[in-house]
This record gives sequence, C-alpha cells and structure tokens, in this order.
Amino acid sequence: QKEVEQNSGPLSVPEGAIASLNCTYSDRGSQSFFWYRQYSGKSPELIMFIYSNGDKEDGRFTAQLNKASQYVSLLIRDSQPSDSATYLCAVNEAGANNLFFGTGTRLTVIP
Amino acid sequence: SAVISQKPSRDICQRGTSLTIQCQVDSQVTMMFWYRQQPGQSLTLIATANQGSEATYESGFVIDKFPISRPNLTFSTLTVSNMSPEDSSIYLCSVVIGTGELFDEQFFGPGTRLTVL
Repeated sequence: QKEVEQNSGPLSVPEGAIASLNCTYSDRGSQSFFWYRQYSGKSPELIMFIYSNGDKEDGRFTAQLNKASQYVSLLIRDSQPSDSATYLCAVNEAGANNLFFGTGTRLTVIP
Repeated sequence: SAVISQKPSRDICQRGTSLTIQCQVDSQVTMMFWYRQQPGQSLTLIATANQGSEATYESGFVIDKFPISRPNLTFSTLTVSNMSPEDSSIYLCSVVIGTGELFDEQFFGPGTRLTVL
C-alpha cells in the first residue's frame, strides 16, 4: 500500500507570511511529485510538480524534494487570502501514471 | 491542459439504485482514471479506464460495484451500482496529458457530487 502523509492542519498564517506544507511518501520508486490546490467544493487544480532533488520555483510557490528522506514540501511566499484552500500532495506509482494522494493540509491565510 | 466535463454535476439517489456518471474530454487522451473523494477525505483511485479493454481496479474496488466503460479516447462512464449511503461521495474523472518529460500531468474534471439516501 503506497502511503502519502500530510499534516491535515488546519495551518493558519497571516497575510504576507510564508506558508510551509510538508509531505512524506513511502514508495521509494516514486519519481514524480505533485501539489494540487483544492478550493472547497471544487476539483483539485495542479499548481506545482517536481521530479528532481532540490528546489523548483514558480512565482510565489517553491517545491522542494528530497528523495533520500522521501520528503517533499511546498512553500508559499507572500501568502494571500486567496491561497486559503486544501493542498494535496500526490505521488506517482513507480512505473505508472497512477497518483496516490495525501489527505491534504487545509491552509487559512488570515487578512 | 484539457477541458473535462462530467454529467451529472450532482445527484441524490435512493438506496439500491444505480447511477452512471459520464466524463467527456475535449481531446483524445490515452489514460483516464476515476477517483472518489469522500466527505472530508482525500482522493482515492477507483480504477484506470482502459480504452478497448476492461478497466483496471484498485484494491477494494470491484467491477460489479463500479463498472466502467471506455468506448473511445475522449469518453468514459462510471456506474455506481446498488448504492448505499456509504457511496455518498464526489466522483472525479481525470486524464493524463503527456509532457514529453519524465512525468505526465494529470487534470481533473469538475466532479459529480453523489448523495445516497
């Protein structure tokens, strides 16, 4: 059973702060890692992907991957109230396109 | 990306009945999946919808309960059979778009919110 674990939160940060979201995974063969944002009542929306160790930056978002530690994180800089959502970490099954999702971290950005 | 639509967007059904959910994509895609998201939970993969062959089900999901059709590369259906209140959930289809790199991006439809009384 592939496991993807996240702190369910809720995580509250003030507007303008950095939000840090963490995820660990059990399948060492996983190669691709994704962060989805899901607003209440909406379907998940892909915001970041990473497959190499290190950092990947895209605007206010930075994904960090450490395969040795089986750890992936998402940093959101200059957090905005519109970032308030549940963030889902997803990991692919080795050799396939199946995604396994964590339970999600609910983020609230306080104005 | 891809534009994905699902029908119905929501439904309220009686125990013991069946509901078929449709997923339509605006372009041909090789891989389509069906997920379930129960209230307050994350997404759980039900099955991979294979074009021209039987779907591949994940552990805990069986064809008799969740029959899937995939007649072509742009369309799939998921039927929730003999429903019980425990089947109340959001059902999402997703498609994979190849990027030419190591990974493929997966996009989700808007979901079908099912309530079983």
